[in-house]
Amino acid sequence: QKEVEQNSGPLSVPEGAIASLNCTYSDRGSQSFFWYRQYSGKSPELIMFIYSNGDKEDGRFTAQLNKASQYVSLLIRDSQPSDSATYLCAVPSSTGNQFYFGTGTSLTVIP
Amino acid sequence: EAQVTQNPRYLITVTGKKLTVTCSQNMNHEYMSWYRQDPGLGLRQIYYSMNVEVTDKGDVPEGYKVSRKEKRNFPLILESPSPNQTSLYFCASSSQPHSNQPQHFGDGTRLSIL
Repeated sequence: QKEVEQNSGPLSVPEGAIASLNCTYSDRGSQSFFWYRQYSGKSPELIMFIYSNGDKEDGRFTAQLNKASQYVSLLIRDSQPSDSATYLCAVPSSTGNQFYFGTGTSLTVIP
Repeated sequence: EAQVTQNPRYLITVTGKKLTVTCSQNMNHEYMSWYRQDPGLGLRQIYYSMNVEVTDKGDVPEGYKVSRKEKRNFPLILESPSPNQTSLYFCASSSQPHSNQPQHFGDGTRLSIL
């Protein structure tokens, strides 16, 4: 079982729609959860992090965490073509030493 | 400007010729890490360092070495590169001496081993 799993997609949504990206993790003791965006050929850039159960909103982005279900999601509202990228879910180990990434979900926003 | 700098950005070399990819950060970060990214496999951690002189293996350490003699630098060494080490490599750092903080990534190094 992989430490972090994501649907690889591709996920296509029309401009202005809500894109929903999902991630599950295996280490029940993990305390923090990160979403990175990666454009083709570029380095990952942090867009959201969440530590507590529930929702965290930042502009058009909302991260949702359910520790009981070991599930974290990212919602992108009013999707724009510039949101077209691969989204990586990242979860540190419960020991805080290692960092695990999902394989990423490719999102395409269609104008 | 706060940044993580990797060099070189691109390198084509041959099997068995030792190479070093440098990584330097100017944010006084404690934690540093190396990843490789391959299609379909995502980012996988090679080595990480919690602080100066403290390094440990990640998930895919075979064929790599690292050192952390100074806080700002964390070079990745391939003593005898092989074609299966052809990949896109990223160095990253974070402020605290553990991984529960967001990581800042360098621009990446694309290595081709022929």
